[in-house]
Amino acid sequence: DQQVKQNSPSLSVQEGRISILNCDYTNSMFDYFLWYKKYPAEGPTFLISISSIKDKNEDGRFTVFLNKSAKHLSLHIVPSQPGDSAVYFCAAKGGDDKIIFGKGTRLHILP
Amino acid sequence: NAGVTQTPKFRVLKTGQSMTLLCAQDMNHEYMYWYRQDPGMGLRLIHYSVGEGTTAKGEVPDGYNVSRLKKQNFLLGLESAAPSQTSVYFCASSQARDSVEAFFGQGTRLTVV
Repeated sequence: DQQVKQNSPSLSVQEGRISILNCDYTNSMFDYFLWYKKYPAEGPTFLISISSIKDKNEDGRFTVFLNKSAKHLSLHIVPSQPGDSAVYFCAAKGGDDKIIFGKGTRLHILP
Repeated sequence: NAGVTQTPKFRVLKTGQSMTLLCAQDMNHEYMYWYRQDPGMGLRLIHYSVGEGTTAKGEVPDGYNVSRLKKQNFLLGLESAAPSQTSVYFCASSQARDSVEAFFGQGTRLTVV
């Protein structure tokens, strides 16, 4: 059973607008959540994380929001740039030290 | 600073052959992970290690074995390769329990024919 779900396989956003990527989880024992970005033929690179005791974390154009009661988090990218076109993975880490990933969302930034 | 290095980058195996994928990190990280990426499936955890001499099963451990004899190296073994193990394999490492950022290698593309 999938513990981390990204229900949108792809998303297209106009350059300069806001991109919102969503992620849901089922395991209430997760205590950290992470977002990774992946370009073709490269390894994933870390973007931003949030602890389960917080509801928001911001780093430049990237903001992650966590709603624990809904078991939902989202990544906001503002403004979206052409270089943001990539696959974005949501991940979660719990007390057993596993890092569990979702299936990813492919973001296309349109000119 | 090399970070996380995976060897080899590409490999073609015949069904039933064995091989070992090597992951080496030079950041003195405690935690290391092996994932496989398949189309539409995201990254799935195979095995991981929280320190030298330790290993644990992930989400899809069957058909794979691992060893962490040295802190800097994490080996993933396929004893008898099957076509279902055709995938891109990624290794990652992280500093410690509360350092959530994991650094990934460039991947190994394995094809089993």
